[in-house]
Amino acid sequence: DTAVSQTPKYLVTQMGNDKSIKCEQNLGHDTMYWYKQDSKKFLKIMFSYNNKELIINETVPNRFSPKSPDKAHLNLHINSLELGDSAVYFCASSQGEATNEKLFFGSGTQLSVL
Amino acid sequence: AQSVTQLGSHVSVSEGALVLLRCNYSSSVPPYLFWYVQYPNQGLQLLLKYTSAATLVKGINGFEAEFKKSETSFHLTKPSAHMSDAAEYFCAVSEGSYNTDKLIFGTGTRLQVFP
Repeated sequence: DTAVSQTPKYLVTQMGNDKSIKCEQNLGHDTMYWYKQDSKKFLKIMFSYNNKELIINETVPNRFSPKSPDKAHLNLHINSLELGDSAVYFCASSQGEATNEKLFFGSGTQLSVL
Repeated sequence: AQSVTQLGSHVSVSEGALVLLRCNYSSSVPPYLFWYVQYPNQGLQLLLKYTSAATLVKGINGFEAEFKKSETSFHLTKPSAHMSDAAEYFCAVSEGSYNTDKLIFGTGTRLQVFP
């Protein structure tokens, strides 16, 4: 069973569209994250949720809105997609919210905005 | 399909001892290889990367890694461990350097450093 699963794996869409990426973890972890892989392959944290509550919200355009219906799910909704949003987005989870908790990564969603 | 395998989920060393974290990769094309580090209270950082230039890559904080094609390995080393090196280390592989070339992560190795 996949511990952290993201869907879709690939997403190709037009500028201006609205799209969502879903993430689910079956590890029983309390904390979930969204990371963006930038052009230098550096992973930048976007958001983290602990038990459905937002705990980290980095400087991200407000077109990006995370939603956590329960602690096993953290979805990312993106409005009015722009070319610069093209990247790989990783979901991750950890047992606790301390930043030394080991991260478990999903396989990534490759977003291409045309 | 690409993959990375990190041997040993936990590695313990004494302060001043050699650090060796193992990573083996599988890739059908020349790979781009990375080591990420997750320091306590600092989140995830890129430690170093190999992108088909020099096979010995130097990273931050005295770490280096050597790409060995014959062994399909990219092991991370540091001659002398410091207490501040205690962290989680992730090896990753990518088929290319574009921002949409996906990283494939290993499962991580936790490094403990004892005084």
